[in-house]
Amino acid sequence: DADVTQTPRNRITKTGKRIMLECSQTKGHDRMYWYRQDPGLGLRLIYYSFDVKDINKGEISDGYSVSRQAQAKFSLSLESAIPNQTALYFCATSEGPGQGDLAVAKNIQYFGAGTRLSVL
Amino acid sequence: QKEVEQDPGPLSVPEGAIVSLNCTYSNSAFQYFMWYRQYSRKGPELLMYTYSSGNKEDGRFTAQVDKSSKYISLFIRDSQPSDSATYLCAMSVGRDDKIIFGKGTRLHILP
Repeated sequence: DADVTQTPRNRITKTGKRIMLECSQTKGHDRMYWYRQDPGLGLRLIYYSFDVKDINKGEISDGYSVSRQAQAKFSLSLESAIPNQTALYFCATSEGPGQGDLAVAKNIQYFGAGTRLSVL
Repeated sequence: QKEVEQDPGPLSVPEGAIVSLNCTYSNSAFQYFMWYRQYSRKGPELLMYTYSSGNKEDGRFTAQVDKSSKYISLFIRDSQPSDSATYLCAMSVGRDDKIIFGKGTRLHILP
């Protein structure tokens, strides 16, 4: 089973509809992220959460909201979808701070398989 | 100037060739450097990471960092069609810090 699971994998919706994308992880990581990926624009960070009580906006949060229901669950909502939100959406997790060798990165991100969203 | 720049490609090379993928960056404080591989319709997966300068080798893959030039490279030896993917560089200042991703280079290995 995948360590980072995103549902649904594909979604087609209409302009103005509310939609929720869900992410769950079994890696035991504290930090979770939502990105969108568009051709030519790369990965852009929408929101991130360092723990259940910590939610932060990324570079493109307008039109999106998130909920961190538990350490393992982080959902992304589009309150009123618009066509330019058509994209590939990824959830990711990372371990977060810790002790030990400074040469060992703690921010390596592990991605889900993505949700392909089309807004008509 | 963008923090991380990466040629989008596509880069097409024949099977068996040595592939060189590169990124440049502007922030001299970056210390952690990563390469992710993303197959079509999949999420990015970590391929390699290095701390500070120098080379790191893993099988057919070598990651190289030149901090004086603010330039990182990923070399793939004996390239295979299964290496066809998009390769994203990524970097951060501290080991807990936000990662900055390049936009990715699409690579095609021709049989």
